[in-house]
Amino acid sequence: QVQLVQSGAEVKKPGASVKVSCKASGYKFTGYTMHWVRQAPGQRLEWMGWIAGGDGNTKYSQKFQGRVTITRDTSASTAFMELSSLRSEDTAVYYCARDEYSGFHYWGQGTLVTVTS
Amino acid sequence: QSALTQPPSVSGSPGQSVTISCTGASSDVGNYNRVSWYQQPPGTAPKLMISEVSNRPSGVPDRFSGSKSGNTASLTISGLQAEDEADYYCSSYTSSSTLVFGGGTKLTVL
Repeated sequence: QVQLVQSGAEVKKPGASVKVSCKASGYKFTGYTMHWVRQAPGQRLEWMGWIAGGDGNTKYSQKFQGRVTITRDTSASTAFMELSSLRSEDTAVYYCARDEYSGFHYWGQGTLVTVTS
Repeated sequence: QSALTQPPSVSGSPGQSVTISCTGASSDVGNYNRVSWYQQPPGTAPKLMISEVSNRPSGVPDRFSGSKSGNTASLTISGLQAEDEADYYCSSYTSSSTLVFGGGTKLTVL
């Protein structure tokens, strides 16, 4: 069965970077695009970007352009999302989600990133 | 890319129907059928309820239905049940190959 398992919670200081992983299993990793979505406490879902399954091309939200980098390790069936220059407003739960063109049927369990001095 | 516009809250009594709207633009909802709806109870990951405007994934009750007219998509829940109480989000792909979510709607079952 399809599973997306994310890395554990992180606590970071302002100005630092964080890298969250998303390990996929139960399907051909390179066959699907992976997206990253975040949700600050009490706030809406916010799309951050995607990485294509086939060629690894990426696309980012303008809001995060220059601060976010999405990569992957196909040998480990794992996608990564790195966010730099963290500020308190980046405190959120970060999700990976598999794109099936028709929507996100599968989501990771979420990773809480807390930015605090 | 601004968020799609959803009402902040809707409510209904058990057995009633409610409709949640999701308004975008010709660059997203209006020209793409890749509109999805997600249900998110507190503290959980979102769950896909409607894909491609009106398709129900396997396991989603047929009480949930979706439609679109112009730049506005809609989610209708008929025969409301207490378990339907959650936050609901729409999303759409855009002409820039990005994705945008709505602001979210809190559904309260009275």
